[in-house]
Amino acid sequence: EAGVTQFPSHSVIEKGQTVTLRCDPISGHDNLYWYRRVMGKEIKFLLHFVKESKQDESGMPNNRFLAERTGGTYSTLKVQPAELEDSGVYFCASSQSTGASGAFFGQGTRLTVV
Amino acid sequence: DQQVKQNSPSLSVQEGRISILNCDYTNSMFDYFLWYKKYPAEGPTFLISISSIKDKNEDGRFTVFLNKSAKHLSLHIVPSQPGDSAVYFCAASARGQTGANNLFFGTGTRLTVIP
Repeated sequence: EAGVTQFPSHSVIEKGQTVTLRCDPISGHDNLYWYRRVMGKEIKFLLHFVKESKQDESGMPNNRFLAERTGGTYSTLKVQPAELEDSGVYFCASSQSTGASGAFFGQGTRLTVV
Repeated sequence: DQQVKQNSPSLSVQEGRISILNCDYTNSMFDYFLWYKKYPAEGPTFLISISSIKDKNEDGRFTVFLNKSAKHLSLHIVPSQPGDSAVYFCAASARGQTGANNLFFGTGTRLTVIP
């Protein structure tokens, strides 16, 4: 069975540009989470989808970040316009239940804004 | 302000010896704690958890100890193996909020097990 897959694995963009990250969760997982780890710091929660609905977006840093989950399948996280402080590794996770121990993480997308 | 702290960014241990990774937290509302393991170019993988009603949880070579009065937990790996070399993240969630959206992570400790 395929795990959580994220695309691209690495993206380098210039400040002011737009980037879209994609996450394909494990099939059948209704819960999908986005996290971010800024270099050397802790992993921080961004938002949580249940199917196509945003259940909790309390971790989204500002309105330059837009997450969608069309049809309750894959999800995208768009950063527009990107700023230098957006650099980091963006992780996606999915789970059947909401329990933290049941969440499976993707390999992450390393975003570098120059 | 960071509520979960891993003050050791790195740790090196000889194969076969014990690895002890430490984690401190500041929020007294935290009552569920998890450890994740992360290899390079992979996402974190759940390793072991402990609820605040316990002070110890064991799973094979991995044991997590919780000291609520000190707001401290530790992960013991015995015996350590080269395949254990990875970054270990401590995470916590508050009372009744055990969902993955309510996790507070530490900054991670890179463990290197030397053959």
